[in-house]
Formats: sequence, C-alpha cells, structure tokens
Amino acid sequence: GAVVSQHPSWVICKSGTSVKIECRSLDFQATTMFWYRQFPKQSLMLMATSNEGSKATYEQGVEKDKFLINHASLTLSTLTVTSAHPEDSSFYICSARETSSTQYFGPGTRLTVL
Amino acid sequence: SQQGEEDPQALSIQEGENATMNCSYKTSINNLQWYRQNSGRGLVHLILIRSNEREKHSGRLRVTLDTSKKSSSLLITASRAADTASYFCATENGAQKLVFGQGTRLTINP
Repeated sequence: GAVVSQHPSWVICKSGTSVKIECRSLDFQATTMFWYRQFPKQSLMLMATSNEGSKATYEQGVEKDKFLINHASLTLSTLTVTSAHPEDSSFYICSARETSSTQYFGPGTRLTVL
Repeated sequence: SQQGEEDPQALSIQEGENATMNCSYKTSINNLQWYRQNSGRGLVHLILIRSNEREKHSGRLRVTLDTSKKSSSLLITASRAADTASYFCATENGAQKLVFGQGTRLTINP
C-alpha cells in the first residue's frame, strides 16, 4: 500500500522556538495533504488541508500564522509550529491522498515543548 | 468539529470473542471509513463503505452502514491480542475532508 513518512518522529524544543515537521508521500503523488493534531486519548482534529502549489485551507480556530504549512511538491508538505509554547505539545499527524477517497496516514510526530 | 460519536469509549474482551463498535454521525456523507491506531502511532486504514452500501467485509472485519439512522458498526470476529488498539470512524462529506469520531479503545485479553 501507499506509504507516508513523517520526520522527525519526535521532537523536544524550548518554548519560543519554531519546529518544522515534514510529511512525504513515498510512492505516490499526493494531490492533497492534511495535517491533524491529536491530544492524548483524544481523537484527531483536522488543522488544515493543503494542495500542491496553493495556500493551505485552515480549519476554524487554527491560527495560520502560528501553524505555517507549505506544500512545495506533490510528495512533500511541511508544518512549522512557530514560537511554540507548552500548550502546542501534541501528536501531529499528516495524511496524503492521490485521487481516491483513501487517505494514507504518516506515523505521526510527537512534539513536546518545554 | 467532531461529528462522530463512538460507543463504547472503551471495550475489553477475551481473545477469541467478537468485538462490536458503533459510530454515529450527524450530517450527510459520501462515505464512512474505519481506522485503527496503535498507541502512539499513525492510523491504519481498515475499510471504506460508501453511502449507497449497507454492508462490507474484509477478512475478520464486517462494517455496516445505516444512513437512515446515521450510524455504522464495526465488527471484529475471533479477536486476537494484536487487535488491541483504538478504532476510529471517520466520515467524508462533499468537501472531501475526514471528520473523526472520538474512538473506541479496544483491549483484547489473552
């Protein structure tokens, strides 16, 4: 099946720094990529949808200036958490889709902000 | 916003028994999907059922969809210890976005 990777798998940073998370579709071209956030023992919350070469569409309540998304190519999307604070600590998961309805999920990135 | 509600929130059964999880949603959908998530890991796609389908099978999985009741169920037969995970339903509407339910934490006891 289709494979989506994320890097890094975990990151610890100091409050106020920025962190970049990469999401790559390894064996297919992703027309659309999605970014989710998941707090412990909770469900996934969609943060934004990104299409290659265009601006991301953010869900209500998600600050676009804080969570910068760049979908540079059909196989790569990045999420940058700017000026991270402890409340941004979470599990960030991306997914990618080509043309079918199936989204393929990455393994997730655990962010801890001290 | 979260559309789906799943019940039970947690389910613990003995190995070999069947596990049934339910999902309800609020708006019209194009399809409903079930995913599995092992602790601290990404999601694995299990099965997709379209709005014009009523039942679908995949190995030990059986999914039903009742659009009149806006509900779906996932049945895992002959459960195994390796089935221990969280299971999420997700609905897709015309906007092609997935909206996830709260999930069911399934524990299979050996």
